[in-house]
Amino acid sequence: SQQGEEDPQALSIQEGENATMNCSYKTSINNLQWYRQNSGRGLVHLILIRSNEREKHSGRLRVTLDTSKKSSSLLITASRAADTASYFCATDAGPGRRALTFGSGTRLQVQP
Amino acid sequence: GAGVSQSPRYKVAKRGQDVALRCDPISGHVSLFWYQQALGQGPEFLTYFQNEAQLDKSGLPSDRFFAERPEGSVSTLKIQRTQQEDSAVYLCASSLPARHRGLSGNTIYFGEGSWLTVV
Repeated sequence: SQQGEEDPQALSIQEGENATMNCSYKTSINNLQWYRQNSGRGLVHLILIRSNEREKHSGRLRVTLDTSKKSSSLLITASRAADTASYFCATDAGPGRRALTFGSGTRLQVQP
Repeated sequence: GAGVSQSPRYKVAKRGQDVALRCDPISGHVSLFWYQQALGQGPEFLTYFQNEAQLDKSGLPSDRFFAERPEGSVSTLKIQRTQQEDSAVYLCASSLPARHRGLSGNTIYFGEGSWLTVV
């Protein structure tokens, strides 16, 4: 079963616009990560935010975390056609466990 | 190697056939994970190794699924008597243990997956 749920399931925007994806999870976490997956490829780690952090930036990426609401958002600013991919949030699967639990993903399409 | 390498990239198996999927993790990575990803879904955890020890196999869906990493490097995921519901992408990932990661947390590096279709 999947811990997180991404919202929306699919998003289509124009190049240059911002894209916002949301993730909700169910249990307490140590950290939350966002991954990107191009069609037919493996996952690539984008950013990790710890449970005691509220916001983190990396280039055009901005991630927020609200542990009281058990939710996170990923903002991609000034999107490019090359940002077209699926984006997944992932949380640690439980105390002492190394496994990650992934959400169902947001499929982002950036139109040139 | 430069990244996590998986083979075969694509496999078509007849229902009932046994398959073996191979993973070469990044050199020096002691942690190795297998995930299963159904079409349109996120990856789901199958099993985890630290060196040659299989520390977590709670995600293996049935006793038809078996994974090993006998020398703590290459790993093989074996699926016996494949069924149509086994059709998925099988992703392997590796990472360093915590003491080598500094503040980078539980970042893992994924291979490009083995696409299994059972017909």
